[in-house]
Amino acid sequence: QSVLTQPPSASGTPGQRVTISCSGSSSNIGRKTVNWYQQFPGTAPKVLMHSNDRRPSGVPDRFSASKSGTSASLAISGLQSEDEAIYYCSAWDDSLNGWVFGGGTKLAVL
Amino acid sequence: QVLLQQWGAGLLKPSETLSLTCAASGGSFSGYYWSWIRQPPGKGLEWIGEINHRGITNYNPSLKSRVTISIDTSNNQFSLNVKSVTAADTAVYYCASGGHIVDPTTGWFDPWGQGTLVTVSS
Repeated sequence: QSVLTQPPSASGTPGQRVTISCSGSSSNIGRKTVNWYQQFPGTAPKVLMHSNDRRPSGVPDRFSASKSGTSASLAISGLQSEDEAIYYCSAWDDSLNGWVFGGGTKLAVL
Repeated sequence: QVLLQQWGAGLLKPSETLSLTCAASGGSFSGYYWSWIRQPPGKGLEWIGEINHRGITNYNPSLKSRVTISIDTSNNQFSLNVKSVTAADTAVYYCASGGHIVDPTTGWFDPWGQGTLVTVSS
């Protein structure tokens, strides 16, 4: 059972906009910044968004993220087949005194 | 740009100790916390713990009794030991650069090591 809650799956067709939610609590998302990671099969995760809504250099601007209260979301616009991956949210948890992750959302591009 | 290279034994028997090491090159070793994260086959990510260049550690409470993370600043390396492993410890283990030294609760994991599959089987 993950501390942060994500839907296990999401899907969309090429060109569509999809969003992935991440729900937490006052001890993590409610007071700390949220990061998002993208993972392809057999490879290490890669940071996709950090500090709630910041995009590292090299990440397409089709990706965006936001945070409100104890929830966060990742949005992908202009969906492409190469976006098929698993997406994880993460934040520091003050109660656990450590980093926590969501269970991951597997995105399918139909 | 920091590069992380990790290594260690990939096959263990129950009750043995898991040992992995991660070497950082190409960037500041003292500016960040250094983490270990694991991923059981087909499952999600679990943070194990972190250390900074002064040896200050934070551990996942669920693993704290069995985990030790240490650091070798002279070689820009940090290590993970997990004692008394069971099949439940079978996972891909990643090292990663994490929170900022000033505030370990900020920051993000980047970069990551290549991952090491550790299998625990009798």
